[in-house]
Amino acid sequence: DAKTTQPPSMDCAEGRAANLPCNHSTISGNEYVYWYRQIHSQGPQYIIHGLKNNETNEMASLIITEDRKSSTLILPHATLRDTAVYYCIVRPYNNNDMRFGAGTRLTVKP
Amino acid sequence: DGGITQSPKYLFRKEGQNVTLSCEQNLNHDAMYWYRQDPGQGLRLIYYSHIVNDFQKGDIAEGYSVSREKKESFPLTVTSAQKNPTAFYLCASSKQGGAYASYEQYFGPGTRLTVT
Repeated sequence: DAKTTQPPSMDCAEGRAANLPCNHSTISGNEYVYWYRQIHSQGPQYIIHGLKNNETNEMASLIITEDRKSSTLILPHATLRDTAVYYCIVRPYNNNDMRFGAGTRLTVKP
Repeated sequence: DGGITQSPKYLFRKEGQNVTLSCEQNLNHDAMYWYRQDPGQGLRLIYYSHIVNDFQKGDIAEGYSVSREKKESFPLTVTSAQKNPTAFYLCASSKQGGAYASYEQYFGPGTRLTVT
């Protein structure tokens, strides 16, 4: 699996957009980009995933660069409940196994 | 409600005892996984199973054992051979991916195991 690099922590003001970056410069053509988040002492929650096109759902948007070497998760209007650790993961389409890094600890402040 | 259940939420054991953590899912998922999480760290894969009666070692399988006799159940046994068993254990399940298919994993609430 390709490795990912994320900043260890970020802050965001409540109501503003939170933009979480992820670098995956060694990603290969058959690997998806997945985002999960984990609120303290709970199981991780799936947010979104994509291959090469930008994706949007009710929780977030995923922007993948054209060369696919990096991506950004966007929470359009962050709330205090979005405070969590966010994990960026890449994995092959035909392999369910995932490897989690340390993630980015996002703190949303009032 | 469909989902994954893990029990108990908190578990305490004495050193040298084996302990089995429960994981049940009613999502009709073929694949199931066990992860370990230490404080301030990401998740590490212990074992996974893509089909009943078959499972594979993950990155940190030493000191753990699993079984997959039913599609719905994937219990994890932490044996006395595991040197540092105190951790947060998470179970997950997913549809089985195939050609050009990729599916998310759904996680249970976790079991916090403390061994003294």
